[in-house]
Amino acid sequence: EAQVTQNPRYLITVTGKKLTVTCSQNMNHEYMSWYRQDPGLGLRQIYYSMNVEVTDKGDVPEGYKVSRKEKRNFPLILESPSPNQTSLYFCASTAGRVTDTQYFGPGTRLTVL
Amino acid sequence: GDSVTQMEGPVTLSEEAFLTINCTYTATGYPSLFWYVQYPGEGLQLLLKATKADDKGSNKGFEATYRKETTSFHLEKGSVQVSDSAVYFCALSLSGDYKLSFGAGTTVTVRA
Repeated sequence: EAQVTQNPRYLITVTGKKLTVTCSQNMNHEYMSWYRQDPGLGLRQIYYSMNVEVTDKGDVPEGYKVSRKEKRNFPLILESPSPNQTSLYFCASTAGRVTDTQYFGPGTRLTVL
Repeated sequence: GDSVTQMEGPVTLSEEAFLTINCTYTATGYPSLFWYVQYPGEGLQLLLKATKADDKGSNKGFEATYRKETTSFHLEKGSVQVSDSAVYFCALSLSGDYKLSFGAGTTVTVRA
């Protein structure tokens, strides 16, 4: 079954404690991205990756890092989380053409106290 | 910049009612347009898409037509069911840019 998985699904943490949210896809997609979803704002892209070792900033990259060492994995790293990063996070992947369907993971709800 | 504006919710309907969610866009080029749906507790799923002017996307009884003259992509369904209760997002992407630009989302609740 084609899918994008994220872990953890829920996380409560404290300000400044480094965390990583993992994302993995089994469709051999080249393009992966991270979005955050906030009420009234829809989804906004944080970072994206065109392929292994190729990453770039999206619209709201401040406070986040990513890496793409393997094609299937695209972890999101918060080095020093702050309360304004409390949000619902989605990982997505697509085969690569702009008209292709993007497949989304189930989401990670993060609360930073 | 490129952006999507969709009608604010929440929208509450009775079963078998007609649903319309308005979506308009601003883009510098010729975007592809999408409707994604998010069921409670789940990630987003593609509902339908249209890649050029006058294209009609359809799926699960939902339809939307790409109107270049009015820069719109309104979502419609003639007879909704309780299972259609979800958040609906209009989105666009531009050639050469794999990013999806989303609207704020419209929450739809269908009552039996």
